Amino acid sequence: ETGVTQTPRHLVMGMTNKKSLKCEQHLGHNAMYWYKQSAKKPLELMFVYSLEERVENNSVPSRFSPECPNSSHLFLHLHTLQPEDSALYLCASSHLQGFNTGELFFGEGSRLTVL
Amino acid sequence: GENVEQHPSTLSVQEGDSAVIKCTYSDSASNYFPWYKQELGKRPQLIIDIRSNVGEKKDQRIAVTLNKTAKHFSLHITETQPEDSAVYFCAARDGGSQGNLIFGKGTKLSVKP
Repeated sequence: ETGVTQTPRHLVMGMTNKKSLKCEQHLGHNAMYWYKQSAKKPLELMFVYSLEERVENNSVPSRFSPECPNSSHLFLHLHTLQPEDSALYLCASSHLQGFNTGELFFGEGSRLTVL
Repeated sequence: GENVEQHPSTLSVQEGDSAVIKCTYSDSASNYFPWYKQELGKRPQLIIDIRSNVGEKKDQRIAVTLNKTAKHFSLHITETQPEDSAVYFCAARDGGSQGNLIFGKGTKLSVKP
């Protein structure tokens, strides 16, 4: 399979649950990202990984914990979330050239609902 | 850091008419401005982009213009078709940090047949 794939596509969890979102890219890119998409808000950058090292964390609450075991896989571990965390979580990858981000290729997203 | 404002939030046009979406940015060091299209239930996809060394770029029915002095850029879609209906996001590359893309809030375009 090519491109960026995310699983699960839909997730419903309680505030005390622990779950994980998974992202896999087959494009040979060297950077991966987590974005949060809420209604009527811009796409919010959450985490950036370059060459498997986290280079940016835009003040995301600690209840979101990313993991990048290799350049093709990215996880977002979720625990003790709040209802306002309900959103579409988009994974993306790109080819990072120096300090410039190339075109972002997005996955289909994981729709998260926190009850 | 970079801040991107996008207008309008919704836009409805008749098939065949033109549509224009405008964005402003705050960081004068930004040098790359892509536009993404997100159809309902699908992923955002790049449709066109422009770099700061040019003022206009065109690809068939879509074009983007950039005014660096005023720090604004616009997406123009001519001869709109129903399949153009989607949410369009502008973005600007942050001039600092890692050059990450900062997105606008999006414009929901509806093209009525």
